Amino acid sequence: KAGVTQTPRYLIKTRGQQVTLSCSPISGHRSVSWYQQTPGQGLQFLFEYFSETQRNKGNFPGRFSGRQFSNSRSEMNVSTLELGDSALYLCASSYGGRIYEQFFGPGTRLTVL
Amino acid sequence: KNEVEQSPQNLTAQEGEFITINCSYSVGISALHWLQQHPGGGIVSLFMLSSGKKKHGRLIATINIQEKHSSLHITASHPRDSAVYICAVPVTSGTYKYIFGTGTRLKVLA
Repeated sequence: KAGVTQTPRYLIKTRGQQVTLSCSPISGHRSVSWYQQTPGQGLQFLFEYFSETQRNKGNFPGRFSGRQFSNSRSEMNVSTLELGDSALYLCASSYGGRIYEQFFGPGTRLTVL
Repeated sequence: KNEVEQSPQNLTAQEGEFITINCSYSVGISALHWLQQHPGGGIVSLFMLSSGKKKHGRLIATINIQEKHSSLHITASHPRDSAVYICAVPVTSGTYKYIFGTGTRLKVLA
């Protein structure tokens, strides 16, 4: 079974631009979560989608948004990029049930200049 | 106080040494996930366990649900084990997310 895939793997943007990141979960998984990882803050939860609905959201500004499609693929969008948005963005998928074991993708490294 | 605490934060070992990383948590859980992240890399799942012990190669993970404590052991450590090890607690009551420990940065010297 193929793992979680994320595209693109690397991205360089400038301040003020917007960016869209994509995540394809493991086949059969209906839950996709997004995380931001920075050296100073560690792993921080952005949001989680299950069956096209956002179930949970972390403490990030409204510039960070996401969505999930009917095939469970998910996208994350960051508008009006700031230097502090430079980070590794990870998505993880799971079946979404009570046991909730997540499998992580390789991440997208975003650099904002 | 963090809901999930790991110790030590940093660990340097000589090749061949037995290594233990600890994870304590204050939230009620039904399972705990051990993860590995190499520098600049993505996160790899090591173990998901809800009781007792699991073993995979040189890695052993144990959990004591009553004491709210889990340990990850590496036997006969090797430089390729150098990575950050993270314990994560899945929360599914009212919310669906992971609570992560702060991570343990392990460096194994040849």
